[in-house]
Amino acid sequence: DVKVTQSSRYLVKRTGEKVFLECVQDMDHENMFWYRQDPGLGLRLIYFSYDVKMKEKGDIPEGYSVSREKKERFSLILESASTNQTSMYLCASSFYRGSGNQPQHFGDGTRLSIL
Amino acid sequence: SQQGEEDPQALSIQEGENATMNCSYKTSINNLQWYRQNSGRGLVHLILIRSNEREKHSGRLRVTLDTSKKSSSLLITASRAADTASYFCATDTGRRALTFGSGTRLQVQP
Repeated sequence: DVKVTQSSRYLVKRTGEKVFLECVQDMDHENMFWYRQDPGLGLRLIYFSYDVKMKEKGDIPEGYSVSREKKERFSLILESASTNQTSMYLCASSFYRGSGNQPQHFGDGTRLSIL
Repeated sequence: SQQGEEDPQALSIQEGENATMNCSYKTSINNLQWYRQNSGRGLVHLILIRSNEREKHSGRLRVTLDTSKKSSSLLITASRAADTASYFCATDTGRRALTFGSGTRLQVQP
């Protein structure tokens, strides 16, 4: 069965800390994504990557960076955590075909609290 | 407002009834996808409908797409308590990522 694994379900950090969220997929997908989910706002795309060492800004990249050194792993980095980054973070992966975006497979999310 | 908005925001029905959720979007699409999210979990893909398709079925799910009105609907027939979840539409507008709406929370009362 396909699997996207996020390193932590719950995480508590302090303002100003550098925070790493890790995501690993075992499906050999080209594409990987990071979203944040807040009540009433749905999923908002932070960054995505369509190949190793490649990254694209999503809709809300400010305050975040990403790293993709290996195809199966995509990391989200909060350079200096702030309280407004308290949220649920979801990682996803998918194939890409010329006919369009394929279904995405999601991890179970990391609920991050910044104190 | 954003690409891909679901309506209603919340829906409460009795077991056995049908549930209909709608999604409107603004720009042309390659495909539209529906996802389900159980509380505290990640999203799970339900169904994908391409821009040249009008209707698609999967088990108790029926999805329609009207590109002239830029809208889609998800119908769940004979709902069960286990269908309680949030449902999201997501549009493929040609960039290499989907755009998700804010979702419909469905509560099915046993």
